Amino acid sequence: DSGVTQTPKHLITATGQRVTLRCSPRSGDLSVYWYQQSLDQGLQFLIQYYNGEERAKGNILERFSAQQFPDLHSELNLSSLELGDSALYFCASSLGLATEAFFGQGTRLTVV
Amino acid sequence: AQTVTQSQPEMSVQEAETVTLSCTYDTSESDYYLFWYKQPPSRQMILVIRQEAYKQQNATENRFSVNFQKAAKSFSLKISDSQLGDAAMYFCAYTGGGADGLTFGKGTHLIIQP
Repeated sequence: DSGVTQTPKHLITATGQRVTLRCSPRSGDLSVYWYQQSLDQGLQFLIQYYNGEERAKGNILERFSAQQFPDLHSELNLSSLELGDSALYFCASSLGLATEAFFGQGTRLTVV
Repeated sequence: AQTVTQSQPEMSVQEAETVTLSCTYDTSESDYYLFWYKQPPSRQMILVIRQEAYKQQNATENRFSVNFQKAAKSFSLKISDSQLGDAAMYFCAYTGGGADGLTFGKGTHLIIQP
């Protein structure tokens, strides 16, 4: 158990809908990262938050957004969902900016 | 942009033998970090080993060790005494000194033959 908790584990939704994925980082970790893993794109970095502030953006679509709350948990919002958004979404957390990241078990999103 | 290349989509090794997984990367930064992550069928991403670029000594963690060649931008993972539980996808990953998220390779599927 990495100590990073993601909910829900599985999510099935229809095209055009909006979903929210939730992540609780390891106790004491200030940095939260979101990644997408799909068969065609592999593992891609989406976005990073550090102590409540957006720190870095990767290949995140404009339809996607995220935030980190004062208690350091984070949410990834995916809207206007398309079939191609079906993927495994990981949250990871780390103590600082250059320390190793520990991953949650992921949320499997299926868009039908 | 940084890129990470894993040229071996799949590797197979007999149990108890040694296997080496290859990884090369491209960067213009001098300060960075490299990682190997393991993803078993459960899909959990598990950190195997970490290497800081400023350290000349290769990292080791029990049966796992790396061969870090900074000039060649090469970062291979050696697994000694392979065990059935080592069967998984292995991903090489890079992050720069600013630690702006990990760039992953496409992965190597490691099969352990009993």
